[in-house]
Amino acid sequence: AQKVTQAQTEISVVEKEDVTLDCVYETRDTTYYLFWYKQPPSGELVFLIRRNSFDEQNEISGRYSWNFQKSTSSFNFTITASQVVDSAVYFCALSAPGGGSYIPTFGRGTSLIVHP
Amino acid sequence: NAGVTQTPKFQVLKTGQSMTLQCAQDMNHEYMSWYRQDPGMGLRLIHYSVGAGITDQGEVPNGYNVSRSTTEDFPLRLLSAAPSQTSVYFCASSSYVAGGYGYTFGSGTRLTVV
Repeated sequence: AQKVTQAQTEISVVEKEDVTLDCVYETRDTTYYLFWYKQPPSGELVFLIRRNSFDEQNEISGRYSWNFQKSTSSFNFTITASQVVDSAVYFCALSAPGGGSYIPTFGRGTSLIVHP
Repeated sequence: NAGVTQTPKFQVLKTGQSMTLQCAQDMNHEYMSWYRQDPGMGLRLIHYSVGAGITDQGEVPNGYNVSRSTTEDFPLRLLSAAPSQTSVYFCASSSYVAGGYGYTFGSGTRLTVV
């Protein structure tokens, strides 16, 4: 069975603060993919990033960065110098063959509120 | 390039009524799935399909039926609506080859059962 845990239900920060969203996953598969999605107040789900299990390089995209550590089964997401527009619910997801042909399993999401 | 199209965007049903949520994708993706989103519960998988003619149950399949007669379409049927099915429903698609590129989601259907 596969599982994704986002222990932080809600995080509140003031603009320009850095914030890290935690994601811990469980799977018995050696090949798998990890994702982050953003759901702004408008409701759509926006794909942010994908990592495969063989690529542990951290990735940076502008103010966003992701830290993938297989040793701790974590795939954390950091927003540097947060902005009000970053306010959204963020979902971490795991896709692995053991979970039903790569159909993603999602965490419960972390609601990020950025105050001006 | 429409991506994943869901209709309707909003729907109100009375308890016991049936309806079909439509989902269509134009990316020739093999994989399609339906999720429901409830407050504090994240996205939970209802049913999924790995290709035309092949469907399987997810985490919360009760009260829902699906079929996949074509690659493009994956409708979700509510057989007899119940208030517990009030939720936001998302359809998603992906390609096995591009499975690592992430699932593309429709814009969602907000369903209220009264």
